[in-house]
Amino acid sequence: EAGVVQSPRYKIIEKKQPVAFWCNPISGHNTLYWYLQNLGQGPELLIRYENEEAVDDSQLPKDRFSAERLKGVDSTLKIQPAELGDSAVYLCASSSGLAFNEQFFGPGTRLTVL
Amino acid sequence: GENVEQHPSTLSVQEGDSAVIKCTYSDSASNYFPWYKQELGKRPQLIIDIRSNVGEKKDQRIAVTLNKTAKHFSLHITETQPEDSAVYFCAASILFGNEKLTFGTGTRLTIIP
Repeated sequence: EAGVVQSPRYKIIEKKQPVAFWCNPISGHNTLYWYLQNLGQGPELLIRYENEEAVDDSQLPKDRFSAERLKGVDSTLKIQPAELGDSAVYLCASSSGLAFNEQFFGPGTRLTVL
Repeated sequence: GENVEQHPSTLSVQEGDSAVIKCTYSDSASNYFPWYKQELGKRPQLIIDIRSNVGEKKDQRIAVTLNKTAKHFSLHITETQPEDSAVYFCAASILFGNEKLTFGTGTRLTIIP
């Protein structure tokens, strides 16, 4: 079974530029999460989807961040414009939504904003 | 919201010795406590979890204990091996609730050969 796939793995951009990250969850997983992980810290939830519906986006900085999960499968997270402080690893995770609740993480996208 | 504190931030142990990492949580409604291992540059992976209806769970060299009254849970690794070196994160969430995992700040475990 393929795991959670993310691309790109690395991205370097200049500040004020836009950037987008893509995630393909494990097949059949209805719940998808985007996390932000700063160096030396634990992941912090940005947004959670149940199918195509964003059910928790309270931690998403909506002035510059946006996300979508059209058709309830793949998801895209966008930052526009990027700031220096956005440099971090962006992790995508998925779960089946059943009681067990194990979240499977992707390899992440390491963003560097210059 | 939930707040999870994790200690220590770094831990070095001799190979073969035991390692213990401790976490506390603030929301008494939390009922699911997973532990993730993250090797350098890799994705977090679940190694063990515990639900609030049990006090202890063991899987080979790894065990987790939970004290609901104190809102405290711990990871125990026995007979440590070099491949145990990684960053370990505890987390807490509410099953059948908001399903949001709140992570601790991580413990960098180094096994000294």
